[in-house]
Amino acid sequence: EVQLAESGGGLVKAGGSLRLSCAASGFTFSNAWMTWVRQAPGKGLEWVGRIKSKTDGGTTDYAAPVKGRFTFSRDDSKNTLYLQMNSLKTEDTAVYYCTTSSIVGTNGNVFDIWGQGTMVTVSS
Amino acid sequence: IVLTQSPATLSLSPGEGATLSCRASQSVSSYLAWYQQKPGQAPRLLIYDASNRATGIPARFSGSGSRTDFTLTISSLEPEDFAVYYCQQRSNWPLTFGGGTKVEIK
Repeated sequence: EVQLAESGGGLVKAGGSLRLSCAASGFTFSNAWMTWVRQAPGKGLEWVGRIKSKTDGGTTDYAAPVKGRFTFSRDDSKNTLYLQMNSLKTEDTAVYYCTTSSIVGTNGNVFDIWGQGTMVTVSS
Repeated sequence: IVLTQSPATLSLSPGEGATLSCRASQSVSSYLAWYQQKPGQAPRLLIYDASNRATGIPARFSGSGSRTDFTLTISSLEPEDFAVYYCQQRSNWPLTFGGGTKVEIK
């Protein structure tokens, strides 16, 4: 069964740091382009960024609000994706989802595989 | 690219049809997807590239449109269809989502 499972969320003070993990199973993680999407309480979905597979360069792209503060990485030997969040702000409070695509021909930008999400709360 | 969804809320009864709109601030060609999200759950992909149903999605869900105007149609609402629906474009960077349409029970 294809699965993604996020962990590492919690309560942190503004200016602090947190690292989220996303464990993948049931598919070839090393070939996957992985994306983070977040959802503030009661709000819509926001694309945070993505990391390509190492065979496709392993490059990263970040949304403007998080660029310079968030870092994506991956450990293909552990089938795990990471999101390092530094200099956290109250507006980073959200459920963070990792997601990916199994749909051919969409450049990995349509998301049919999602984790359950992990909540990050940044207090002032 | 800004995606504007309308209406914000749709109040309907089971068995009725639903028509949801997503308008893009500039052309996204046919690179538009639709997701369904229920409370406490992750989004679920329904439609991609404007009109392609994702695996396992019932035929009562259909998508249409191109360039700037898109529609998600639910032909006859089942009880499990009451949820929030989001559109998402993959034409231009950064990827963006619409603000959502809530389909609620009347």
